[in-house]
Amino acid sequence: GAGVSQTPSNKVTEKGKYVELRCDPISGHTALYWYRQSLGQGPEFLIYFQGTGAADDSGLPNDRFFAVRPEGSVSTLKIQRTERGDSAVYLCASSPYLGNEQFFGPGTRLTVL
Amino acid sequence: AQKITQTQPGMFVQEKEAVTLDCTYDTSDPSYGLFWYKQPSSGEMIFLIYQGSYDQQNATEGRYSLNFQKARKSANLVISASQLGDSAMYFCAMREGGFGNEKLTFGTGTRLTIIP
Repeated sequence: GAGVSQTPSNKVTEKGKYVELRCDPISGHTALYWYRQSLGQGPEFLIYFQGTGAADDSGLPNDRFFAVRPEGSVSTLKIQRTERGDSAVYLCASSPYLGNEQFFGPGTRLTVL
Repeated sequence: AQKITQTQPGMFVQEKEAVTLDCTYDTSDPSYGLFWYKQPSSGEMIFLIYQGSYDQQNATEGRYSLNFQKARKSANLVISASQLGDSAMYFCAMREGGFGNEKLTFGTGTRLTIIP
């Protein structure tokens, strides 16, 4: 079956702009996760959803970052007033239920000029 | 202190040999889970193996096994009979706490290169 998909695969933007990154989880997976991976580092947790609600958003670095999952499936990560330090690969993952392994998508590479 | 420590930034191994990738962890929570993921150059994280803190036996999945030494807080990944396709970044990760604590904390990874 189809895995986790993320769009766009690459996004180049200018400092100060607004961006949206989209994640389509595996069908039927109730949990969805966002991570950020900077060059040479492991992924860093941002937020996870169980259904439509954000169960843990402790990893969001500041209030410029926001994520939604209005219908319990697709999720959008929104970044306002982007900064050069936001440049990274943003990874999305999903799992069929809590406590299971997380299945990752290919990521969106965000570059802020 | 780092939650997950991977001390080998890079390793070169001859094809068909076994390889051990090191991982140590730090937690005071009695309930936790340890994961290994593979990240090829394509970028996608591929789940390999899982070990729960209360599991009595070391986890195995095909050519992958996890050498879990709880008292030493280590969870090394062993790959038997390495193949060229095993060349990738390998990340160790931990989930602390019981049900509902889903955040994974990753190490900095080890780049494994298999030499033909």
